Order: sequence, then structure tokens, then C-alpha cells
Amino acid sequence: DAKTTQPTSMDCAEGRAANLPCNHSTISGNEYVYWYRQIHSQGPQYIIHGLKNNETNEMASLIITEDRKSSTLILPHATLRDTAVYYCIVRPFRWNTPLVFGKGTRLSVIA
Amino acid sequence: NAGVTQTPKFQVLKTGQSMTLQCAQDMNHEYMSWYRQDPGMGLRLIHYSVGAGITDQGEVPNGYNVSRSTTEDFPLRLLSAAPSQTSVYFCASRPAPGQPNIGTGNTIYFGEGSWLTVV
Repeated sequence: DAKTTQPTSMDCAEGRAANLPCNHSTISGNEYVYWYRQIHSQGPQYIIHGLKNNETNEMASLIITEDRKSSTLILPHATLRDTAVYYCIVRPFRWNTPLVFGKGTRLSVIA
Repeated sequence: NAGVTQTPKFQVLKTGQSMTLQCAQDMNHEYMSWYRQDPGMGLRLIHYSVGAGITDQGEVPNGYNVSRSTTEDFPLRLLSAAPSQTSVYFCASRPAPGQPNIGTGNTIYFGEGSWLTVV
């Protein structure tokens, strides 16, 4: 399974865009990139996922490089409630293979 | 409401006691898994199951047993609790390819967690 590398922590000013990077240089062609976040020890919450193209939903945008070796999660207007640990996960092509979480990025949104 | 339900939410055990953490999902998901999360750490996979009657070990299986007699339920058993098992436990499920999706796309659904303290 592909592994991911994320910065340990990041700060972002409230109202500004938060850009969270993720490296997944060994990703396979059919593996998806998923992003989850965990707010204060609650269960992880799904944010967005993508395969090749950039994706956008009501929560965030996902930018995947053309070579698919890295991606960036963008929270366009960060609020204090976006303070959380953000996990970048590569989903195995084989659906029945377990998902492995890294340590994620702790995003602190500052007023 | 569709989702993953974990019980109990909080539990205190004495060293050597046994207990079972319950996990149930009503979305007919084939895949279910258990994670533990220690303070300041990411989630680590304990056991997982790809369908009724099938289970397999994750990263940290020692001290835990699981069974999958039905699609809906995936209980996690601690046979002889140790202080090192003090943690927050999360159950998760997701559908197999081709299964109808309930919710937002083909994503993973987590329970709200079970806080376990072993003294």
C-alpha cells in the first residue's frame, strides 16, 4: 500500500485559505486519495476524495498533481471550527485491504 | 438513522478483567474494522473483517479477539485487560464495490469512539 507523508502541524489565520499538503510518491494508478479530519478525539469525518482530477465539494477542494505523487487539501475560508487533525489516506485499489492512517497534520486556526 | 454505533462510550476496567466493545452498522457494509488511538497519536488498526465469517489482523492485534457472525456486528473482545490497552477505540465500516452506497459516496464511516481506561 502507498504511504503518505504530511507535516506534523500547521497554523492558519481565520478567514484565510488553509492549504494542507500530502506526499504519496508510491501511489498506484488506481488508488484514490482520501482526506479525513478528526476534531478533538471525535470519530474521523470524511472530507473529500479524488483519483486524478481536482475535486471540490461544500467543505473543501482537493488538488492532485499530474503525476499523482502529491496532493493539497484546501479549506477556502478557514474558521476556528476547522481546527483539527487532518489525515491524508491512500485507499488501496483492493477494497478489502485495510486502510492505514498516518499521524496526520494538526491544523490550528488562529483568530 | 444509518451509521456506525459503538457501545459503551466509556468504560473503566481493572487489570485482568475481560470485556467486549460492541460495534453495529445498519448500512449492510461488508468491510468493518477496529482502530485504537492513544493520546496524541494517529489511529492504529487492530483487526478488520471483509465479511461475515472472515476476520484478519491489523497492526496491533495482540490482546484482542474479534468475530463476525453477522454483517451488522463486529465486537472487539479484550480477554485480559492491561493498562497498555487504555485508549480510545473506533469502529469503522465501508461498502464493497457494487454495493449500494448510503451517504456521501463510497466512503468510510466511523463510530463516535469508546473510551477505555484500564487501572
